[in-house]
This record gives sequence, structure tokens and C-alpha cells, in this order.
Amino acid sequence: GAVVSQHPSWVICKSGTSVKIECRSLDFQATTMFWYRQFPKQSLMLMATSNEGSKATYEQGVEKDKFLINHASLTLSTLTVTSAHPEDSSFYICSAGEQGAVEKLFFGSGTQLSVL
Amino acid sequence: DAKTTQPNSMESNEEEPVHLPCNHSTISGTDYIHWYRQLPSQGPEYVIHGLTSNVNNRMASLAIAEDRKSSTLILHRATLRDAAVYYCTASGNTPLVFGKGTRLSVIA
Repeated sequence: GAVVSQHPSWVICKSGTSVKIECRSLDFQATTMFWYRQFPKQSLMLMATSNEGSKATYEQGVEKDKFLINHASLTLSTLTVTSAHPEDSSFYICSAGEQGAVEKLFFGSGTQLSVL
Repeated sequence: DAKTTQPNSMESNEEEPVHLPCNHSTISGTDYIHWYRQLPSQGPEYVIHGLTSNVNNRMASLAIAEDRKSSTLILHRATLRDAAVYYCTASGNTPLVFGKGTRLSVIA
């Protein structure tokens, strides 16, 4: 099956620094990728839809200036958490679907972000 | 997307079948029913999806009610590796919106 690679798996950073998370579709092209956030014992919360070559679409309540999304190619989307604070500590997960096959999504393995 | 309702948790003995229910009474005619599962500290994994007819694959079976207002994911023989949170969604398009899911515990 299709593979979505997410890097890094975990990151620890100091408060105020920025962290970039990469999401790659390894064997298929994805014009659209999705970013989710998950707090402990909770469900996945959709943060934004990343569109190749255009601006991301953010869900209500998600700060676009804090969570910068770039989708520069058909196989790569990045999420940058700017000026991270402890409340941004969470499990971030990306996903993508093959073009023309929106019924099935493939997810990355997630990035555990801990902000000290 | 239709709202889905699932039991918070279920328990099964190893090697026994498991039936995980999901209610999606507001589903529209073009919404697909998707099931994903999430193992601890991992991203979700696709399990199965269907529209109207029952579906089978190597992982599970999906039984869809005739009125499509509910569905059941069937694991034919639960193993310890099936312990996970199982999410049901009903959506006509991506992105998928996840509810709280069912936490399945498998007892050896």
C-alpha cells in the first residue's frame, strides 16, 4: 500500500523556538495533505488542509500564523510550529490520499512534540 | 460529514470474533463509511471502507445496515495486536473527521 513518511518521530524543544515537521508521500502524488493534532487520550483533531501550490485551509480556532504549512511539491508538506510554547506539546499527524482515490487515507507515524 | 457514535470501549478474548458497532444516522447517500484504527503512539491505519454493500478484506469485514444508519466492523479472530482505538467515520470526501472511537482491549 501507499506510504506516508513523517519526520521527525519526536522532538523536544525550548519554549520560543520553532519546529518543522515534514510529511512525504513516498510512492504516490498528493495534491492535498491533512494535518491533525492529538492530545493524550483524545481523538484526532483536524488542524488544516494543505494544498499543493496554494495556501492551506485552516480549521476554525487554528492560528495560521503559528502553524505554518507549506506544500511545495506533490510529495511534500511541512508544518512549522512557530514560537512553540508548552501548550503546543502534542502528537502531530499528517495524512494524504492518492489522487482520485479519496476514500482511503494514509497516515504518517506521527510526531510527538514536547516543548519545555 | 455525518456524526458517528461508538461505544467508548470494548473488550474481547483472544481468538474470538469482535463486533464493533457504529451509528451514523445522519449519513447522506454519497457518504462512505470508513474504519481506521490507531495503535498506541502511531498514526491511524486504514482498515476498511464501504458505501452500501458489505465488504471483506484481509483485515476485517464491514457490515452495513440496509438503511445505512449503522455499521459494524467485524474482526473474525481478535489477536493481541488488534488492541487499538477503532474509529468510524462517515464522509463524502476528505478530510476525515474523527470521533472518539472505541478502545478495544484484547485479553489473552
